[in-house]
Amino acid sequence: QQQVKQSPQSLIVQKGGISIINCAYENTAFDYFPWYQQFPGKGPALLIAIRPDVSEKKEGRFTISFNKSAKQFSLHIMDSQPGDSATYFCAASWTGANNLFFGTGTRLTVIP
Amino acid sequence: NAGVMQNPRHLVRRRGQEARLRCSPMKGHSHVYWYRQLPEEGLKFMVYLQKENIIDESGMPKERFSAEFPKEGPSILRIQQVVRGDSAAYFCASSNSRGPVYGYTFGSGTRLTVV
Repeated sequence: QQQVKQSPQSLIVQKGGISIINCAYENTAFDYFPWYQQFPGKGPALLIAIRPDVSEKKEGRFTISFNKSAKQFSLHIMDSQPGDSATYFCAASWTGANNLFFGTGTRLTVIP
Repeated sequence: NAGVMQNPRHLVRRRGQEARLRCSPMKGHSHVYWYRQLPEEGLKFMVYLQKENIIDESGMPKERFSAEFPKEGPSILRIQQVVRGDSAAYFCASSNSRGPVYGYTFGSGTRLTVV
């Protein structure tokens, strides 16, 4: 049972464009929603995270939008660059939990 | 300050052999978590350990898999009598407080191939 559903599976964006990746969850106990970036041959690295008390969080070119009523959250990468080409994972957890529940990943390719 | 160190980076085992994966957490981190990533899938939690204790093994397969985090030395994930379905990337993460909400740091993983 996939606790966090992620789409699309792959995404191709022109340099300078906006990349949007979406995730949905069912478990209302989740109160922590991070995004991880993974380059080939490397482990996932925390990119940005949000708690459900805010609807948006921005760090540089990366923004998380959170819709609590719809149980959805998304990652927006503004002015996408070829160096952003990687696999992105959304995840969810709750305070006091030991683990993260990951989405299945989105392979982003930014073409020059 | 070295990050989470995992070795080996790549491991090839024949069916029926044992695989031992090692993880040294970041300096000052006493919480270790193991995850498995199958091809084209997200990471799935396996086990959470603190020094000398298994705290949560709810994601560990019931047979052939075990984990330890001794008082001295790295954490070890051990897979006995490997099968083709064990081929995956195994990632270790560490933290200085319990749980992911305080920030996990992942290692670069061990890619296990069973032939």
